[in-house]
Amino acid sequence: NAGVTQTPKFRVLKTGQSMTLLCAQDMNHEYMYWYRQDPGMGLRLIHYSVGEGTTAKGEVPDGYNVSRLKKQNFLLGLESAAPSQTSVYFCASSLDRGRGNQPQHFGDGTRLSIL
Amino acid sequence: TQLLEQSPQFLSIQEGENLTVYCNSSSVFSSLQWYRQEPGEGPVLLVTVVTGGEVKKLKRLTFQFGDARKDSSLHITAAQTGDTGLYLCAGVRDMRFGAGTRLTVKP
Repeated sequence: NAGVTQTPKFRVLKTGQSMTLLCAQDMNHEYMYWYRQDPGMGLRLIHYSVGEGTTAKGEVPDGYNVSRLKKQNFLLGLESAAPSQTSVYFCASSLDRGRGNQPQHFGDGTRLSIL
Repeated sequence: TQLLEQSPQFLSIQEGENLTVYCNSSSVFSSLQWYRQEPGEGPVLLVTVVTGGEVKKLKRLTFQFGDARKDSSLHITAAQTGDTGLYLCAGVRDMRFGAGTRLTVKP
């Protein structure tokens, strides 16, 4: 029972490089989310999706793009990485917020360092 | 924009002690969730509170939701080393998390 799987788990990039983080869920969840977690700041929402083919901006979307081509996958892209994007990135999914207070199920994170 | 403040930021106690951590908002919560996060892992849901004044218990953990739905507390009775972790509160509607309380329970 995999739940939410994030790849890669660790990555080091140089400033200006691009990369894509992959999130996959096997729970048939409608909603998916990308967060970043920095010391002392908790989890901040980057982008989210309410269903296949949809995306929306969260609290800190600048410098990131996302795509949800398949229901089970949510991709987070960094077009030109900057040191300020050094963080731990978490993907999450939930059944449907409209059904009321569904829990978010999180992956184990991707630790990204930008040099 | 709803701002969530959690206190204390850090808490270190001995096994067997009781503790309370707090989550306060600048505006009313529609509903609130508490999560626990262990090192190297993602947060895991502990509880959802919806109704003002609601109290929920999960073994040694007691969660209270303020009458005005602007604050919540988590009380742990007789803490154990397994309770060590980062405790996060989150507003369900806008998916906003507090910065968390990092709890360390020493043997």
